Amino acid sequence: DTGVSQDPRHKITKRGQNVTFRCDPISEHNRLYWYRQTLGQGPEFLTYFQNEAQLEKSRLLSDRFSAERPKGSFSTLEIQRTEQGDSAMYLCAGQHTNTEAFFGQGTRLTVV
Amino acid sequence: AQKVTQAQTEISVVEKEDVTLDCVYETRDTTYYLFWYKQPPSGELVFLIRRNSFDEQNEISGRYSWNFQKSTSSFNFTITASQVVDSAVYFCALSEATSGTYKYIFGTGTRLKVLA
Repeated sequence: DTGVSQDPRHKITKRGQNVTFRCDPISEHNRLYWYRQTLGQGPEFLTYFQNEAQLEKSRLLSDRFSAERPKGSFSTLEIQRTEQGDSAMYLCAGQHTNTEAFFGQGTRLTVV
Repeated sequence: AQKVTQAQTEISVVEKEDVTLDCVYETRDTTYYLFWYKQPPSGELVFLIRRNSFDEQNEISGRYSWNFQKSTSSFNFTITASQVVDSAVYFCALSEATSGTYKYIFGTGTRLKVLA
């Protein structure tokens, strides 16, 4: 158990709908990351939070994606107007400075 | 540009065999970190080992060992006496200090199948 939990584990949605995922790291994780993983590929970086500040966003993160980390605790990732190409596993990772990242079990999104 | 290459897409071994997973990385940074993670079918990435760029000492931890060679930009991972429970996808990852974010760059993974 890494201490990082994600909810939901699975989400099936219709194209055009909005979805929101949640990540709860442990309190020591001042850094929080979102990654996306498609079938047969390694995870790709989406965005990074240092406490509550979103400090970097990947070019993969289109305008339809938004992430927040209020008060530096849990984080949410919202996808608006979902497209079939958004189908993937969305992984959250928490990290304390100078340690390795600990990943949650991910949210598998299927857009039909 | 930073990059991680795992040339082995899939490896199959018989239980108790030793297996080495290859990883080659590219970076311009002098300070960086290398990792191996295991991803079982459940999907969670499980941390295995970490090595920083200024420590090339190779170690053994239980059935796991690694060979870090800066001269060839390789960070290979060996499982000794493999077990069926080792079956998973293994990812090598690179994190650069100058990125400021320490985000990970992953390889495409190697699927390991350990047959009973």
